[in-house]
Amino acid sequence: DAGVIQSPRHEVTEMGQEVTLRCKPISGHDYLFWYRQTMMRGLELLIYFNNNVPIDDSGMPEDRFSAKMPNASFSTLKIQPSEPRDSAVYFCASSMPLWERSYNEQFFGPGTRLTVL
Amino acid sequence: KQEVTQIPAALSVPEGENLVLNCSFTDSAIYNLQWFRQDPGKGLTSLLLIQSSQREQTSGRLNASLDKSSGRSTLYIAASQPGDSATYLCAAPNYGGSQGNLIFGKGTKLSVKP
Repeated sequence: DAGVIQSPRHEVTEMGQEVTLRCKPISGHDYLFWYRQTMMRGLELLIYFNNNVPIDDSGMPEDRFSAKMPNASFSTLKIQPSEPRDSAVYFCASSMPLWERSYNEQFFGPGTRLTVL
Repeated sequence: KQEVTQIPAALSVPEGENLVLNCSFTDSAIYNLQWFRQDPGKGLTSLLLIQSSQREQTSGRLNASLDKSSGRSTLYIAASQPGDSATYLCAAPNYGGSQGNLIFGKGTKLSVKP
């Protein structure tokens, strides 16, 4: 398996523009997580899905952020409009069905480094 | 809400030394705890996951321990090598959850000098 795939790897945009980050989880995994990493706050969970359904979005900072999972192999995280304080590395992770895995073991993608000018 | 703290924030050691990285968590009602490695500009690689029923988990030169009663976990690295240089993060589930919602420490940045 290729692991969790994220695109783009780097994104530079101007304030006010819409940004869409993409994630393909590991095949067969039914949990998908979006995290954000900054120097100040470390790694923070934004939202996670189970079987394509959002379970907890309490970490989404503002209404400017939205996430979707239209099918088991694809998810997007959208920021509209983007602001300089959104600059961070955004990670996607996935994990196996509960009955097949060690609890909570998550596998991470390489991340998308977002810079908002 | 679960809080995870890692000490020290940075550590520099000469090659060959044995070392210990510390992690503490506030909510001991957890099913497991996970240690990750992060190389600069890269994603996270899972190193070890310790179930609450275990006290230790080993992989090669790495040994992780878990003491739920004291809210502590340690990662022991034996005979350190320059290739071990990276940031090490521990993560504990929030609300003791069996799925999702990991809370991460800020990490320990390890530098092993030849």
